[in-house]
Amino acid sequence: QKEVEQNSGPLSVPEGAIASLNCTYSDRGSQSFFWYRQYSGKSPELIMFIYSNGDKEDGRFTAQLNKASQYVSLLIRDSQPSDSATYLCAVRYRDDKIIFGKGTRLHILP
Amino acid sequence: NAGVMQNPRHLVRRRGQEARLRCSPMKGHSHVYWYRQLPEEGLKFMVYLQKENIIDESGMPKERFSAEFPKEGPSILRIQQVVRGDSAAYFCASSPSRRGSDEQFFGPGTRLTVL
Repeated sequence: QKEVEQNSGPLSVPEGAIASLNCTYSDRGSQSFFWYRQYSGKSPELIMFIYSNGDKEDGRFTAQLNKASQYVSLLIRDSQPSDSATYLCAVRYRDDKIIFGKGTRLHILP
Repeated sequence: NAGVMQNPRHLVRRRGQEARLRCSPMKGHSHVYWYRQLPEEGLKFMVYLQKENIIDESGMPKERFSAEFPKEGPSILRIQQVVRGDSAAYFCASSPSRRGSDEQFFGPGTRLTVL
């Protein structure tokens, strides 16, 4: 059973603080990992993808991947109210199917 | 370069009618994925298609649902004899190739309401 697990939240973070979003997956053979942001009533938009162990930084966002622990996270530095959204973790498995987690709702407190 | 296009954006059907949802992938993209999203739920994979081929339909309900991606024209997700439980947002995504690191780009979705 291919699974991608996320805490549904809501996760409340003060403005300016670091938001940390976590995701675990079940298949060690997974190849690629994605973080999408989805505003209410809108379609998902890609924030970052990562496929090597370690950190990948893009502006205020950092994706972290630990394949041994089957764990991927997203850090958002200097959180802004506009970061309030649902964040979806997605994993591409060996058969090319992409499985999405249910998402974590993030609320940035002004 | 236009993004992924979906139409209609909103679709209302009565129980028993048919719903046809269309998706035009980004230019140069030959891989299309359909997902369903219920309120407060994540995206559920339905089907993965390439031109004229269904690659993986393991997420499709066995009855009433079908999908195609013809050589010419958009991909179509067809739901026959709709029921209230089919009410959801249906998203289409496309990617350029099958390489493992390719991200998917999503269309705006079609929100289906079954009365």
